[in-house]
Amino acid sequence: GQNIDQPTEMTATEGAIVQINCTYQTSGFNGLFWYQQHAGEAPTFLSYNVLDGLEEKGRFSSFLSRSKGYSYLLLKELQMKDSASYLCAVMDSNYQLIWGAGTKLIIKP
Amino acid sequence: GAVVSQHPSWVICKSGTSVKIECRSLDFQATTMFWYRQFPKQSLMLMATSNEGSKATYEQGVEKDKFLINHASLTLSTLTVTSAHPEDSSFYICSARKTREPYEQYFGPGTRLTVT
Repeated sequence: GQNIDQPTEMTATEGAIVQINCTYQTSGFNGLFWYQQHAGEAPTFLSYNVLDGLEEKGRFSSFLSRSKGYSYLLLKELQMKDSASYLCAVMDSNYQLIWGAGTKLIIKP
Repeated sequence: GAVVSQHPSWVICKSGTSVKIECRSLDFQATTMFWYRQFPKQSLMLMATSNEGSKATYEQGVEKDKFLINHASLTLSTLTVTSAHPEDSSFYICSARKTREPYEQYFGPGTRLTVT
């Protein structure tokens, strides 16, 4: 079967760094996506990885290791507005997105 | 940019009535759109995949006669909740997939449906 695992909840302090991990087992791989979802809102696209390595975009970076079926989203200089759920999704061989359950990130002052 | 709009943003209807939700990709063409449902504090649940000009593909457990999907053009898909019941109250979100790699999905703002 297809499976995406990510922690349910994480807590971090404003100004700090947090890493949200995602492991996956899917039928085929056409890329991994990270989305941010604030409570009561729709998800917004954050990043896309299809090759191994680190993609940096401002305060957010995303890493992929295809051989390990592993990715992480790194958030630096945390701000209160970063409090949200972070969704990991893998595009399978049929170009369908398989979604993780999301990681709720709580930022404390 | 890649903007997807959804209308209405919220709707309250009486039990037994039908509600139509529109999803539009405003600045790109989308041969494929997706409809999701999300209950409070739960993850996204894919309901169906909508392909322009053909029938939608429904996920297991989703009643196709209750959730009617029409994808009549490359920029518009509609979801009609027929004979709505209180248990259909939820947050409905559509997304549109770009036709070029990496085929990322862009989400509409969602429609909050409350059935009384």
